[in-house]
Amino acid sequence: AQSVTQLGSHVSVSEGALVLLRCNYSSSVPPYLFWYVQYPNQGLQLLLKYTTGATLVKGINGFEAEFKKSETSFHLTKPSAHMSDAAEYFCAVWQSGNTPLVFGKGTRLSVIA
Amino acid sequence: NAGVTQTPKFQVLKTGQSMTLQCAQDMNHNSMYWYRQDPGMGLRLIYYSASEGTTDKGEVPNGYNVSRLNKREFSLRLESAAPSQTSVYFCASSEGQGRTDTQYFGPGTRLTVL
Repeated sequence: AQSVTQLGSHVSVSEGALVLLRCNYSSSVPPYLFWYVQYPNQGLQLLLKYTTGATLVKGINGFEAEFKKSETSFHLTKPSAHMSDAAEYFCAVWQSGNTPLVFGKGTRLSVIA
Repeated sequence: NAGVTQTPKFQVLKTGQSMTLQCAQDMNHNSMYWYRQDPGMGLRLIYYSASEGTTDKGEVPNGYNVSRLNKREFSLRLESAAPSQTSVYFCASSEGQGRTDTQYFGPGTRLTVL
């Protein structure tokens, strides 16, 4: 079975600083990996996803993530944080067989002016 | 195009009461899902429906039932609410259940059980 671990339930960065949100997965087969974002009082929306091909994936709002098989990681980055990036971020992995996505516990990002 | 809609947005129940959470999507998606979100627990899958006419249990199905009424609608029922079911409930849909399919989420229902 596949699972996903997000390191750090809360991350604070200053406006303009690098954003790095960590996600590690466990999988016995090639994974399909997703990052979703949840803004306050809203549902989740897709930020980016890795399926096959290029390991550096670009998403919306300047975010990107790199699939590193050797490290079983799919960390999310953004070069310069903006106040509007304050949200909760969820990493998710496709579980084997016919069962749907498995989500991590989430990381809340705070951006300090 | 409203996407995924959920009703109600807020609900307060007393222990033992029943209620149904409604979900509808207008994207002609085949698969639909119900999640609950609790602080520090992330999203946990309650039930899902891979296609019209099928439903399957997720990670935390106890205390819930679902009905896939048609392709558009997927309801979640609490037969006898308990305080442990206080949570935010999200409905989602996807075109299929393929590994690359994006899930689209509704705005959520905040449920409090007293």
